[in-house]
Amino acid sequence: GQSLEQPSEVTAVEGAIVQINCTYQTSGFYGLSWYQQHDGGAPTFLSYNGLDGLEETGRFSSFLSRSDSYGYLLLQELQMKDSASYFCAVRDGRNTDKLIFGTGTRLQVFP
Amino acid sequence: ETGVTQTPRHLVMGMTNKKSLKCEQHLGHNAMYWYKQSAKKPLELMFVYSLEERVENNSVPSRFSPECPNSSHLFLHLHTLQPEDSALYLCASSQREKAYEQYFGPGTRLTVT
Repeated sequence: GQSLEQPSEVTAVEGAIVQINCTYQTSGFYGLSWYQQHDGGAPTFLSYNGLDGLEETGRFSSFLSRSDSYGYLLLQELQMKDSASYFCAVRDGRNTDKLIFGTGTRLQVFP
Repeated sequence: ETGVTQTPRHLVMGMTNKKSLKCEQHLGHNAMYWYKQSAKKPLELMFVYSLEERVENNSVPSRFSPECPNSSHLFLHLHTLQPEDSALYLCASSQREKAYEQYFGPGTRLTVT
């Protein structure tokens, strides 16, 4: 079957750095996306890796290693507002509009 | 209005009722999606419409019926639902060639009694 595995929960303090891992097992692979969802809110797109390596967007970075079927989201200089759930998602076909989402990681940032 | 809007935000319905969820996107996208989000479970893709044509039906029971009259509007018609259908229903849109970057609406919290 197809699956994306993430830790269920991560905790950290303000100003720290946290890494959220995602390992995937899918029939096809055409890129890894990351989404953030605050409680009661809608998922919002954070980043996308189509190729191996690191993509940086401000305090957030995302990394992909296709040979390891693995990626991570790195959050730096954590702020209280970063407390949310984070989902990785895989596009599993070249000509598909379909994303398969991971189970999500709940990040709690403490003062 | 900007982004993706959904109505109603909350809906309580009995198992014999018929209701519809509405989604509208103001982003000029050409693909739209329905997802179901239940507690402790990943986002589940239900339907995909690309260029107003349904391209994905993810083994969804027939009591859920989607409709996409144009590229900006998407409906989910509901009838004879079950209590296990209670969930958050999210609509999203994207440019078809950038399906990895989807924009979500706020969702409809559905409770089936």
